[in-house]
Amino acid sequence: AQSVTQLDSHVSVSEGTPVLLRCNYSSSYSPSLFWYVQHPNKGLQLLLKYTSAATLVKGINGFEAEFKKSETSFHLTKPSAHMSDAAEYFCVVRGHNYGQNFVFGPGTRLSVLP
Amino acid sequence: GAVVSQHPSWVICKSGTSVKIECRSLDFQATTMFWYRQFPKQSLMLMATSNEGSKATYEQGVEKDKFLINHASLTLSTLTVTSAHPEDSSFYICSAIRGEGFSEQFFGPGTRLTVL
Repeated sequence: AQSVTQLDSHVSVSEGTPVLLRCNYSSSYSPSLFWYVQHPNKGLQLLLKYTSAATLVKGINGFEAEFKKSETSFHLTKPSAHMSDAAEYFCVVRGHNYGQNFVFGPGTRLSVLP
Repeated sequence: GAVVSQHPSWVICKSGTSVKIECRSLDFQATTMFWYRQFPKQSLMLMATSNEGSKATYEQGVEKDKFLINHASLTLSTLTVTSAHPEDSSFYICSAIRGEGFSEQFFGPGTRLTVL
């Protein structure tokens, strides 16, 4: 079975400073990992995904994440926050066995201060 | 890219009525679609997995007679909330998997249901 922990329910940063959103996972098998962003009253948009290729994954809007198997982590980072980055971010894990569902983390709300 | 649409985007209904929400994959065939429910300021909770041509698989605690799912074609799945009550008010989101790879799911924009 898989599970996802997002250690921070709310992160607040100043515009132009780095962003770090933490995600730890548990999976019985080699997982696929995703980060999605959700703006208020909007659907989810895929930022990036890891599917057993390169451990450092680059996504859209300057975000990237590094898969660290030894730490069972997949933290999301961005060098410089923009006001438009303020949203809810979800880390998602899925095992590679057929029929395994996508499991969502509880989400981290990112606030960007001017 | 792969686009998933939902209709309606927003619906208000009276208690006791039924509401149908459509989920369509616009530019690809989706053998599997998922239905999620999201309460305010909470994460997505998987309600059911919908496979084309077969019965949906419901998650524990989800009433299959209340949340009817039909995946009649490779591009359309519907969720019908029967005899809706105020506690069914929520944001319902569908997603679809393209092909057999299961490597990524594409999300619809969501449907906000308000039951008066």
